[in-house]
Amino acid sequence: GAVVSQHPSWVICKSGTSVKIECRSLDFQATTMFWYRQFPKQSLMLMATSNEGSKATYEQGVEKDKFLINHASLTLSTLTVTSAHPEDSSFYICSAFSPPYNEQFFGPGTRLTVL
Amino acid sequence: DQQVKQNSPSLSVQEGRISILNCDYTNSMFDYFLWYKKYPAEGPTFLISISSIKDKNEDGRFTVFLNKSAKHLSLHIVPSQPGDSAVYFCAASFNYGGSQGNLIFGKGTKLSVKP
Repeated sequence: GAVVSQHPSWVICKSGTSVKIECRSLDFQATTMFWYRQFPKQSLMLMATSNEGSKATYEQGVEKDKFLINHASLTLSTLTVTSAHPEDSSFYICSAFSPPYNEQFFGPGTRLTVL
Repeated sequence: DQQVKQNSPSLSVQEGRISILNCDYTNSMFDYFLWYKKYPAEGPTFLISISSIKDKNEDGRFTVFLNKSAKHLSLHIVPSQPGDSAVYFCAASFNYGGSQGNLIFGKGTKLSVKP
């Protein structure tokens, strides 16, 4: 099956710093990548949808200037949490979609802890 | 406002018996429903789905039932195996296949299958 990786798997950073999370489709080209966030004991919430070569579409309530998404190639999307604060501590997970498969494949997630 | 609800955070079942995971939704416009399985430190993996025009879909040991009038769906696993122990997420979508994002997830139910 299609494999999606994320890097790093976990990160701890100081408040005010920026953190970049990478999402890669390893054996297929993803026309669309999605970024989700999951707080403890909550459901996965879609943050944004990105299509290769175009600007990401953000869900209501998600600050586009704080969560920068770049989808520069068909196999890589990055999420940068700028000026991170403790309330941004969460589990960030990406998924990738490719038309032949007609389903989303999820990465293993990144645990972000902001001190 | 939780549109997809999994009211049981956990479920424990004996090996060989049936596991029934439940999911309720509030939006009658959802037309596609999916179940994902998630092991620790891994991303969710697609398990089975059902469109709103059907009331049952079966794949091996897994069967999903949809009751549109009750806005309720359930996942049956028969017979349950210890390897089925994982967190199961119910998700709903407004467009067939959920391929374009907009997957609305429940909070998940942790299934433990005891030998």
